[in-house]
Amino acid sequence: GIQVEQSPPDLILQEGANSTLRCNFSDSVNNLQWFHQNPWGQLINLFYIPSGTKQNGRLSATTVATERYSLLYISSSQTTDSGVYFCAVERAGGTSYGKLTFGQGTILTVHP
Amino acid sequence: NAGVTQTPKFRVLKTGQSMTLLCAQDMNHEYMYWYRQDPGMGLRLIHYSVGEGTTAKGEVPDGYNVSRLKKQNFLLGLESAAPSQTSVYFCASEVTPRGTQYFGPGTRLTVL
Repeated sequence: GIQVEQSPPDLILQEGANSTLRCNFSDSVNNLQWFHQNPWGQLINLFYIPSGTKQNGRLSATTVATERYSLLYISSSQTTDSGVYFCAVERAGGTSYGKLTFGQGTILTVHP
Repeated sequence: NAGVTQTPKFRVLKTGQSMTLLCAQDMNHEYMYWYRQDPGMGLRLIHYSVGEGTTAKGEVPDGYNVSRLKKQNFLLGLESAAPSQTSVYFCASEVTPRGTQYFGPGTRLTVL
């Protein structure tokens, strides 16, 4: 199956700092999503971004499909950004059923 | 509009007992998914459904069964629970397979 690697595994920031999270995948994809899991366990979809660039407030994401990676940018981080960030992909080809393969996540801790 | 709900939130079972986890969504989504999340890992797909009356195996289906008798409900069953099934179980749904998956709050299951 497709491999998804996220880096760094852990990231500690002071409030106000910027950060970049990376997701590498081993095969072509037709579906890539970024999720945030807050400290209470709730998973929230941040972006659906199989290619291109999107922005939503302080967050933005870029996927370079031809080079098989995606980046999630967090600017002016806040303590509420803490949690685990997951990248999830679905390999291209065949019937698309939304079967996502998740990376192991980046644990982000933002200190006040 | 409650989104995706899961019942129960917590459960403790003894080895060999059975139980059913219920996922309900009120967004009229066709696609529904069951994942499990183990400590320090991303989510892994157990089973999924592309519409009422359909089910299919995901990445880790052994020991689980599912049913989708109604469009809004997706049930996950454990016929004979094992300690290896101790995990947090998440349900998700989406309107199309290339879009945004919406997650429930999770069910924390412990098998003794």
